[in-house]
Amino acid sequence: ELKVEQNPLFLSMQEGKNYTIYCNYSTTSDRLYWYRQDPGKSLESLFVLLSNGAVKQEGRLMASLDTKARLSTLHITAAVHDLSATYFCAVDMGSKNAGGTSYGKLTFGQGTILTVHP
Amino acid sequence: NAGVMQNPRHLVRRRGQEARLRCSPMKGHSHVYWYRQLPEEGLKFMVYLQKENIIDESGMPKERFSAEFPKEGPSILRIQQVVRGDSAAYFCASSPHTFGEQFFGPGTRLTVL
Repeated sequence: ELKVEQNPLFLSMQEGKNYTIYCNYSTTSDRLYWYRQDPGKSLESLFVLLSNGAVKQEGRLMASLDTKARLSTLHITAAVHDLSATYFCAVDMGSKNAGGTSYGKLTFGQGTILTVHP
Repeated sequence: NAGVMQNPRHLVRRRGQEARLRCSPMKGHSHVYWYRQLPEEGLKFMVYLQKENIIDESGMPKERFSAEFPKEGPSILRIQQVVRGDSAAYFCASSPHTFGEQFFGPGTRLTVL
């Protein structure tokens, strides 16, 4: 059974600081997603990482994937209050239907609650 | 192009009642997934459906829960005889391909009194 673990689970940061959220998973996969969730809201897709060594950046967030280490990181640069939210990683190791066709099936980490203070 | 639609957004039921949650996928998407998010937890896979077919229901509780995705109309997640432990946010996601990115709806927050 695929296990996905994030750490830290709670992250309190000061504005302007840098930090990294880690996502470890237990089974080989080269498809990993990062989502953001604001309280009471749905999931907003941040990054789609589809190969070993993939690195993507959007604003103050940068995500990377190391499939050999089964590790993805979400790096926050110079945090601002607007980044306060819960961040999830999700691994898609795929499953096969009766016909042998692969289909997606996401396994989520527990989430990291990020709070950015002035 | 409208996103994934779910309704109702909030649903309150008393123990023993039935809950029906609806999901309309994005236009052109024929793959639907349901996930459940318990308080303070990540999302957990429940079921994956294509039009008129359940492909994978390995995450569905064996009793009281059922899902369908008819040829016409939205996907329905049905919970019979709800219990307090069913209180959660239920998210639907759709995808245009069998192994494509999933796009999430706003969720239905079910509260069982």
